Amino acid sequence: RKEVEQDPGPFNVPEGATVAFNCTYSNSASQSFFWYRQDCRKEPKLLMSVYSSGNEDGRFTAQLNRASQYISLLIRDSKLSDSATYLCVVKCSNDYKLSFGAGTTVTVRA
Amino acid sequence: GAVVSQHPSRVICKSGTSVKIECRSLDFQATTMFWYRQFPKQSLMLMATSNEGSKATYEQGVEKDKFLINHASLTLSTLTVTSAHPEDSSFYICSAKEHEQFFGPGTRLTVL
Repeated sequence: RKEVEQDPGPFNVPEGATVAFNCTYSNSASQSFFWYRQDCRKEPKLLMSVYSSGNEDGRFTAQLNRASQYISLLIRDSKLSDSATYLCVVKCSNDYKLSFGAGTTVTVRA
Repeated sequence: GAVVSQHPSRVICKSGTSVKIECRSLDFQATTMFWYRQFPKQSLMLMATSNEGSKATYEQGVEKDKFLINHASLTLSTLTVTSAHPEDSSFYICSAKEHEQFFGPGTRLTVL
């Protein structure tokens, strides 16, 4: 079983729509959670950390459910520039290693 | 601006040759850097943890004699793919940790 699993998508949505997707992780000892964004043929860039109580950053909302071991990302009022692959990333507390999901592709159309 | 650089950004080589990729932290010192590999439509897979002044720690299944890592200074780690084969063609990304992990722009290796 993969450490981090994501629905690969693609999610094709019109501008202005809301899109949401989840990620599940297998290691119950995981302590830190992140969403990264990766554009085609580019390096991943941190979008936001995910906190236990859930958190928002502008149009992006992240939630963590430890009991069910999943993380979610919701994008409101989608923009064309939101088109990218979103990587779910999990880290255990005792080292620096990051475990990456394969990514969820979102395409926002005009 | 970029805090981690990689060079080269793209390399095409013949099968059997060796390729060196450099990863530099630009604004901070990194005692630990990480090397990842990403095949198309797949997740980043950690290959090894590069430790300044000591041997790298390789993940299971990664051949240390094929992927040579040298972390000679606090701002530079190199990955050498020795005797490259077409199946080594991939996107190689390094990262360095300050308060968060910053990724280099990646190196796309194509082995003919």
